[in-house]
Amino acid sequence: EVQLLESGGSLVQPGGSLRLSCAASGFTFSSYAMSWVRQAPGKGLEWVSAIGGSGGSTYYADSVKGRFTISRDNSKNTLYLQMNSLRAEDTAVYYCAKRSWYSGSWYDDYWGQGTLVTVSS
Amino acid sequence: QSVLTQPPSVSGAPGQRVTITCTGSSSNIGAGYDVHWYQQLPGTVPKLLIYGTRNRPSGVPDRFSGSKSGTSASLAITGLQAEDEADYYCQSCDSSLRGVFGGGTKLTVL
Repeated sequence: EVQLLESGGSLVQPGGSLRLSCAASGFTFSSYAMSWVRQAPGKGLEWVSAIGGSGGSTYYADSVKGRFTISRDNSKNTLYLQMNSLRAEDTAVYYCAKRSWYSGSWYDDYWGQGTLVTVSS
Repeated sequence: QSVLTQPPSVSGAPGQRVTITCTGSSSNIGAGYDVHWYQQLPGTVPKLLIYGTRNRPSGVPDRFSGSKSGTSASLAITGLQAEDEADYYCQSCDSSLRGVFGGGTKLTVL
């Protein structure tokens, strides 16, 4: 059974930093790309970042490029999101998701329960 | 402002058929990238509903179906049930293989 467990969310001041983690189990972690998706309170889903199975390819939404860094440790089956220069608009539940590829497009077939990041003074 | 455009809300009576549209551009859906759909029941995590435009993961009823034409895609739900009341999101890719979502559609079962 695929399981994804996020951690690291908390209250942080504007301009601060935070690192989210996502512990994966139930599948061969290194064989799959992974992504982060966020959802601000009462709002829709926003794709944030993704990383290839080996960690060699990374992708970012324009809204976080240059501030967030996605990485993974395949020996620990763990995905990370380092978030710097945080802004109030980064406040959201952050989900990690396992990515799969079908006929020319990525999709997220399993999602974690999410971790809440609140950016406020 | 989401890259993909969905109607904010749709509604239907039990047993009816509803469709949710997802409009993109030549940079995403129109470029040939598949569309995927997610269902988010109130207070829960998003769940994959349709992948690759028209494929259902195991366990998803065949009342849910997807299609695509040009720069748009649609999710159809037939035999509407009270338990279908949820938010629905479409997703595709852009040419940089970054994900893009629609703004979401709230389905109300009357």
